[in-house]
Amino acid sequence: KQEVTQIPAALSVPEGENLVLNCSFTDSAIYNLQWFRQDPGKGLTSLLLIQSSQREQTSGRLNASLDKSSGRSTLYIAASQPGDSATYLCAVRAGANNLFFGTGTRLTVIP
Amino acid sequence: NAGVMQNPRHLVRRRGQEARLRCSPMKGHSHVYWYRQLPEEGLKFMVYLQKENIIDESGMPKERFSAEFPKEGPSILRIQQVVRGDSAAYFCASSLTDQGPGDNSPLHFGNGTRLTVT
Repeated sequence: KQEVTQIPAALSVPEGENLVLNCSFTDSAIYNLQWFRQDPGKGLTSLLLIQSSQREQTSGRLNASLDKSSGRSTLYIAASQPGDSATYLCAVRAGANNLFFGTGTRLTVIP
Repeated sequence: NAGVMQNPRHLVRRRGQEARLRCSPMKGHSHVYWYRQLPEEGLKFMVYLQKENIIDESGMPKERFSAEFPKEGPSILRIQQVVRGDSAAYFCASSLTDQGPGDNSPLHFGNGTRLTVT
């Protein structure tokens, strides 16, 4: 059974710092991995999607990497801003219907 | 270009009552997914529907829970005889395609319905 773990559970950094969020999964037979952002009381916003055949994806200040063989992904945020404060969720797709989510990392960027 | 619309945003029900949660997918999307997020837990898949069909309900409890996605109108998640353990945020997501291998299209999520059972 696929299990997704995110470390750390919470992270506080001063504005301007670069940071890395970690995600690990137990079964490497995945279609893709997605990183989402969830703001309090809101839904999820898709940030990046990496296909199983890819190693990384970039969007603006965000870079996500995928090492399928070791079951790991990282989300790198450059030059963090207070507006980046949110919960970041990692999810792996193991089948057409099944998206397995981690419990998230709650990020606070201090001005 | 409206996103995924869920209503109500907040729903309070007493134990034993019925809860009906509605989801209108993005325009043109015919694939709908329901997820549940319990406090301090990750989102858990419940059910996947296409128009008029339930494709996968493996994550949905067998009793008291049902889902539909009629030809016209929103998708409905129905919880009968609610209990305190049903209190959670229920999220709906939609997609243009069936999210199969090699599919790059992301899921689009609604803002969720927060159900509180008293």
